[in-house]
Amino acid sequence: DVKVTQSSRYLVKRTGEKVFLECVQDMDHENMFWYRQDPGLGLRLIYFSYDVKMKEKGDIPEGYSVSREKKERFSLILESASTNQTSMYLCASRSLDAEAFFGQGTRLTVV
Amino acid sequence: RKEVEQDPGPFNVPEGATVAFNCTYSNSASQSFFWYRQDCRKEPKLLMSVYSSGNEDGRFTAQLNRASQYISLLIRDSKLSDSATYLCVGITGTASKLTFGTGTRLQVTL
Repeated sequence: DVKVTQSSRYLVKRTGEKVFLECVQDMDHENMFWYRQDPGLGLRLIYFSYDVKMKEKGDIPEGYSVSREKKERFSLILESASTNQTSMYLCASRSLDAEAFFGQGTRLTVV
Repeated sequence: RKEVEQDPGPFNVPEGATVAFNCTYSNSASQSFFWYRQDCRKEPKLLMSVYSSGNEDGRFTAQLNRASQYISLLIRDSKLSDSATYLCVGITGTASKLTFGTGTRLQVTL
């Protein structure tokens, strides 16, 4: 079974903190994605990566950055957390021409 | 205009009913499509892939109409356990960007 693991299920951070969300997949997938999900807005793509050290902006990259130093790991960084970044964050990975698999999600609250 | 659009619902149907969801996409270069199911407070999980020729998996049928740029999901003989949010997904570009619709909520009742 494919496994996509996010480092935390729940996080509470203070405004202005630097926040790291980690995602690891165990199936040697080329593509990895970070989404946030908010009520009524669905899943919105923040960043994605199609190879090690390669990244592309999604639809809402402002306030976020990413890092992919190794194929299995894709990190999402909130440089200075703000309350409007309170959300559910979902990581996904896929190999080419196949479906995506999701991690269990991280519910981030910024206070 | 959003790349992938869905009617958010909710669709409230009685057990045993047939229900259909549509999803439209704006990027004609979209290569592949999928339907995902998401239960409350859970991550999305693949329901089925969508092929131009149409495909069926038990009570579920998915269709792709490239000329009109929409995909559909038909659920026959609805069960209470089908209650969930159904998300359509399109894949575009050489970098394989994955774009989700906002999801359609289905509630099946007794």
